[in-house]
Amino acid sequence: GAVVSQHPSWVICKSGTSVKIECRSLDFQATTMFWYRQFPKQSLMLMATSNEGSKATYEQGVEKDKFLINHASLTLSTLTVTSAHPEDSSFYICSARGSRGEAFFGQGTRLTVV
Amino acid sequence: SQKIEQNSEALNIQEGKTATLTCNYTNYSPAYLQWYRQDPGRGPVFLLLIRENEKEKRKERLKVTFDTTLKQSLFHITASQPADSATYLCALHTGGGNKLTFGTGTQLKVEL
Repeated sequence: GAVVSQHPSWVICKSGTSVKIECRSLDFQATTMFWYRQFPKQSLMLMATSNEGSKATYEQGVEKDKFLINHASLTLSTLTVTSAHPEDSSFYICSARGSRGEAFFGQGTRLTVV
Repeated sequence: SQKIEQNSEALNIQEGKTATLTCNYTNYSPAYLQWYRQDPGRGPVFLLLIRENEKEKRKERLKVTFDTTLKQSLFHITASQPADSATYLCALHTGGGNKLTFGTGTQLKVEL
C-alpha cells in the first residue's frame, strides 16, 4: 500500500504559540489529503479536506483561521494549529486516498498544549 | 440522525477462537464499507473494503460481511492471536463517496 509520513510524531508547545504538522505522501502523488482529530477513546473526526493548489474544505464547526492547511505540492500537506490552547491537545492524523477509496494514514501527531 | 455504532466495550477472547466485531449504521446508504486496525498512538491501517453489492470478502484470517438490508457489517478474525489485539474501526463512504466517516471502534484483546 501507499506510504504516508507524518511529522512530528509528538509535540509539546506553550499556550498561545503555533505548531505545524507535516504530512507527506512518499511513493505517490496525492491531490487530496484529509486531516482528522481523535480524542481519547473517541472516533476519528474529519477536520478538513486538503486540495493541492486550492483552498482546503473545512468541516462544520472547524475554525479555518485556527487550523491553517496548506497543500502546496502533490506530496505535501501541512496543518498549522495557530494560537494553540490546552483544549487543542489531541491526536492529529492525516490520510491520503488510494485508488479503491481506501485511506492510507500517517503515523499521527500527539499535540500537547501546556 | 446519522450514526455508525460499534461495541464500545472491549471484546476479550481466547487465543485460537474467532473474534466477531459488529458495525451498525443508520441513515446512511454507503456504496462501500471499510475496516481498519488501530494500535495505541498510531494511525489506522487499512484492512478490507467491501462494496454494497458484495456479501462477503476474505483476506487471510479476516472475513467481512455487508448486509445493506440490516445496515450491518460483521468483521471476523479466525484463529485469533495475541498480536491481533488492537482497536478495529469501521468506516463508511459518505458525502457522495468523497469522505470517510468512522465508527468509534471496538477494542479487541486476545488472551493466551
